[in-house]
Amino acid sequence: NAGVTQTPKFQVLKTGQSMTLQCAQDMNHEYMSWYRQDPGMGLRLIHYSVGAGITDQGEVPNGYNVSRSTTEDFPLRLLSAAPSQTSVYFCASSDRQGGEKLFFGSGTQLSVL
Amino acid sequence: SQQGEEDPQALSIQEGENATMNCSYKTSINNLQWYRQNSGRGLVHLILIRSNEREKHSGRLRVTLDTSKKSSSLLITASRAADTASYFCATDWGTPLVFGKGTRLSVIA
Repeated sequence: NAGVTQTPKFQVLKTGQSMTLQCAQDMNHEYMSWYRQDPGMGLRLIHYSVGAGITDQGEVPNGYNVSRSTTEDFPLRLLSAAPSQTSVYFCASSDRQGGEKLFFGSGTQLSVL
Repeated sequence: SQQGEEDPQALSIQEGENATMNCSYKTSINNLQWYRQNSGRGLVHLILIRSNEREKHSGRLRVTLDTSKKSSSLLITASRAADTASYFCATDWGTPLVFGKGTRLSVIA
């Protein structure tokens, strides 16, 4: 039982490049979410999903796309990377929306030059 | 905008002492949770307290909730160097969990 797996762990991009951050969970959780963590800002919600085929925006969705084609996977796409997207990204899941404890991945450290 | 705000932002104590962190929030909540983050790692869930509960214990952790003051506290007793981490409160008010900015705890051996 691996829990929540994020790949890659580190990534460096040039401004304008695109990439996908992968997130997979093996706990059959319906709810999955993406947060970004910046120094002094805590964690801010980017997008979340309450089940396959259903996604919604969080606090800071601009510049990011998500899709949820399966229960297990919730990839986060950066369409045209900007330096402001330099951050640590965390994927999290729980067995229902919001109310119960979240299980976090180990994070992806992204630098956009 | 963030719902919960932790206080203090940073706390440094000696091993064996107790550490107290506070969280204040703005609106009615369903539950409040505390998480720990070791440097460079993902967050780990510590404890969940529901809005109809006033106190909860888990090992060396004690959490209180005062809904009239919209505040919660996390007490770590007999702290150890391994407790050095950032601690976050997160509130559930019918939407995805909203996290505060955290308290950075340093326990000095």
